[in-house]
Amino acid sequence: DGGITQSPKYLFRKEGQNVTLSCEQNLNHDAMYWYRQDPGQGLRLIYYSQIVNDFQKGDIAEGYSVSREKKESFPLTVTSAQKNPTAFYLCASTIGDRKRNEQFFGPGTRLTVL
Amino acid sequence: GQSLEQPSEVTAVEGAIVQINCTYQTSGFYGLSWYQQHDGGAPTFLSYNALDGLEETGRFSSFLSRSDSYGYLLLQELQMKDSASYFCAVRGSGGYNKLIFGAGTRLAVHP
Repeated sequence: DGGITQSPKYLFRKEGQNVTLSCEQNLNHDAMYWYRQDPGQGLRLIYYSQIVNDFQKGDIAEGYSVSREKKESFPLTVTSAQKNPTAFYLCASTIGDRKRNEQFFGPGTRLTVL
Repeated sequence: GQSLEQPSEVTAVEGAIVQINCTYQTSGFYGLSWYQQHDGGAPTFLSYNALDGLEETGRFSSFLSRSDSYGYLLLQELQMKDSASYFCAVRGSGGYNKLIFGAGTRLAVHP
């Protein structure tokens, strides 16, 4: 079955640590995205990538970094520079059909800073 | 800039019809989308309107008026499983299919 997987489902981090969230898709989608969701809030875009070896900052990129070395993978690193990283992180991808705006989401990673 | 406004909460009973409104401000418009998210889950795509009018998909319909910068999601024959958060979204300027999401409307369906 095609889809997007994220791991781990839950992640606990001590202050000052960097952590990396995994996102893998086997949908053969070109574009991938990382969002952050805080309780009772909408999704805010962290980074996005249109093609391999290229990515752009979203609205809240500070304290985060990404890489796109393979089409299938778009890992997100939450660095110690991110002052309030506790949130629900969602990865998404799209085939880029401009007629539908449809993004497919992974199950998310819930990050908690201890 | 770009922003979307939608009500924070809506309550309805099973079998009823509910309408969730969304108004938006964008520098360029490329379509309005709706997503559903159950608690702790991932958002799933419901509908997309690029042109004015009503799009129907089963019990869900979505409407768009570009002249009013307004759209709504209509849910009919409500079921308990429809209890979820609903987000409207517009394509952001610049990036490839980048979406800007509203804060979401939490729908509670009661027996």
